[in-house]
Amino acid sequence: EDQVTQSPEALRLQEGESSSLNCSYTVSGLRGLFWYRQDPGKGPEFLFTLYSAGEEKEKERLKATLTKKESFLHITAPKPEDSATYLCAVQPRDGNNRLAFGKGNQVVVIP
Amino acid sequence: EPEVTQTPSHQVTQMGQEVILRCVPISNHLYFYWYRQILGQKVEFLVSFYNNEISEKSEIFDDQFSVERPDGSNFTLKIRSTKLEDSAMYFCASSDDLAGVGETQYFGPGTRLLVL
Repeated sequence: EDQVTQSPEALRLQEGESSSLNCSYTVSGLRGLFWYRQDPGKGPEFLFTLYSAGEEKEKERLKATLTKKESFLHITAPKPEDSATYLCAVQPRDGNNRLAFGKGNQVVVIP
Repeated sequence: EPEVTQTPSHQVTQMGQEVILRCVPISNHLYFYWYRQILGQKVEFLVSFYNNEISEKSEIFDDQFSVERPDGSNFTLKIRSTKLEDSAMYFCASSDDLAGVGETQYFGPGTRLLVL
């Protein structure tokens, strides 16, 4: 069974205080790992896709990295508008594109 | 920028009633999905749909659920006889998977279903 564990569950940061979010996964062959941002009451908003260990992707203050067992989402000098829940999801090779999500990392950035 | 749309945004129904949730996927996408998120819990996969048939479904997607692409633009999820535990946010998603590699799934804003 595909398992995705995200830590920490919740994180409060001062504006400008960089940090990292962790996503550990167990999957029977990884097709892709996805990071989404979710605001309260809204749908997941796509951020990054990572396909192989060693890959990195960057967008503004966010950087995602991937190893064979985990992924990190680094938030550099966060701003209050980065406050959201960040969702990690894996897509196994043995499925027809289904995504298995973690519970998310809830981030609050305080001005 | 193309986006997935869903209607209604909120639906309240009585237990045992049928509901239909509607989605318009991104126009050139080939794969369509439904997920749900019970309040405070993780997003869960329900079903994927490709070439006018179900390609995969989860254990949650039992006989009370069905999906349909009634025309060239809409994708629907029907719950035949709603239960209290069906109360959740339901998300539609779509992806373009021509390459056979994990293409990105784009999610709609969701329909919040409340069963009383």
